[in-house]
Amino acid sequence: EVQVVESGGGLVQPGRSLRLSCAASGFTFDDYAMHWVRQAPGKGLEWVSGISWNSGTIGYADSVKGRFTISRDNAKNSLYLQMNSLRPEDTALYYCAKGDQQLIRHFDYWGQGTLVTVSS
Amino acid sequence: QPVVTQSSSASASLGSSVKLTCTLSSGHSSYIIAWHQQQPGKAPRYLMKLEGSGSYNKGSGVPDRFSGSSSGADRYLTISNLQSEDEADYYCETWDSNTVVFGGGTKLTVL
Repeated sequence: EVQVVESGGGLVQPGRSLRLSCAASGFTFDDYAMHWVRQAPGKGLEWVSGISWNSGTIGYADSVKGRFTISRDNAKNSLYLQMNSLRPEDTALYYCAKGDQQLIRHFDYWGQGTLVTVSS
Repeated sequence: QPVVTQSSSASASLGSSVKLTCTLSSGHSSYIIAWHQQQPGKAPRYLMKLEGSGSYNKGSGVPDRFSGSSSGADRYLTISNLQSEDEADYYCETWDSNTVVFGGGTKLTVL
């Protein structure tokens, strides 16, 4: 069974940093791209970042470019999101999602999400 | 970058059918999209990938009541024999140049 489980969310002050993690199981992790998608309270889905199977291709939403960094460790079946210079508008439920192929395309499995709250 | 547009809301009666629309912006009418369902208080769930030809591939466990079709820049999700559990938000998404774009979502109410 495919599973992706996020962790690392919490309450953080504006301007500070936070690192999210996603542990994957039930599939060959290094055969697939991975993504982060967020959902602000009461709002729709917003794609944040994606990374190809071998980290060779990475994409970011304009809203996080230069502040967030996605990475993966295929030996540990894990995906990460380093979030720096956090703003109140980054407050959201952050989902890890499995890509449907090696490159950044669509996604076909979602985690349950980890909540990030940016507030003083 | 493509833009994907969805109606904000839709409603249909229990047991009936409903057709949700996702429209791709000009110049992107051939793009493949994916549909995702988000029931209230739950994580999203992948439903299907849908090509401009109308061919689609559903995710694991997605009921036969869910189907896809296409016409030009429009991508449709049809739900037949509506059930109460189909009341949810439905999102479409597509990709281009290593970025993914979501539509604003359609809130489906089952009457």
